[in-house]
Amino acid sequence: GQSLEQPSEVTAVEGAIVQINCTYQTSGFYGLSWYQQHDGGAPTFLSYNALDGLEETGRFSSFLSRSDSYGYLLLQELQMKDSASYFCAVPRLNDYKLSFGAGTTVTVRA
Amino acid sequence: DTAVSQTPKYLVTQMGNDKSIKCEQNLGHDTMYWYKQDSKKFLKIMFSYNNKELIINETVPNRFSPKSPDKAHLNLHINSLELGDSAVYFCASSPTGGLAGLPYEQYFGPGTRLTVT
Repeated sequence: GQSLEQPSEVTAVEGAIVQINCTYQTSGFYGLSWYQQHDGGAPTFLSYNALDGLEETGRFSSFLSRSDSYGYLLLQELQMKDSASYFCAVPRLNDYKLSFGAGTTVTVRA
Repeated sequence: DTAVSQTPKYLVTQMGNDKSIKCEQNLGHDTMYWYKQDSKKFLKIMFSYNNKELIINETVPNRFSPKSPDKAHLNLHINSLELGDSAVYFCASSPTGGLAGLPYEQYFGPGTRLTVT
């Protein structure tokens, strides 16, 4: 089976940096995806790490350490619009399944 | 251009009724999915189809029946609706072929909020 653990909630102020950790237990690991979902909206793809290391896309970065079965999403220069739920997810090849963590709700305060 | 569309956006119905949700994607993807998101926001896969063939059926009650008439469409029919079926249902699609076909990047429809009273 697959399990992913991430914190349920994080609160921070505008301009701050938030790190959302995700630890996983899975067979046949290929990589770690991150998704963002605003209230009332659909999940949208943010990033995917197949290899160890840091991938940066604007204010958001994602990191993976395969040896530690761990990854994180880093949100920098937080803006009010970053208030959303963030999900880590692992893909499976044999049946095209993407298993999601329970999500982290990020609240950005002024 | 809407990549993944679902209809209806809202569905309010009574217990025991039968309802359908339609999904269409214009991205040319081979794989489509149905997810259920409960009030705690947990995203649970229900079904996946690859080239119109059922790949995943995640122990969903057989009151739920997906149907894929072609690669671009995946509909969901629900019989004898129950209170516990109230949730947001998302359709999604993903390309196959990149990185050996891994579905790491999925495109979600806007969701259908189903309320059973």
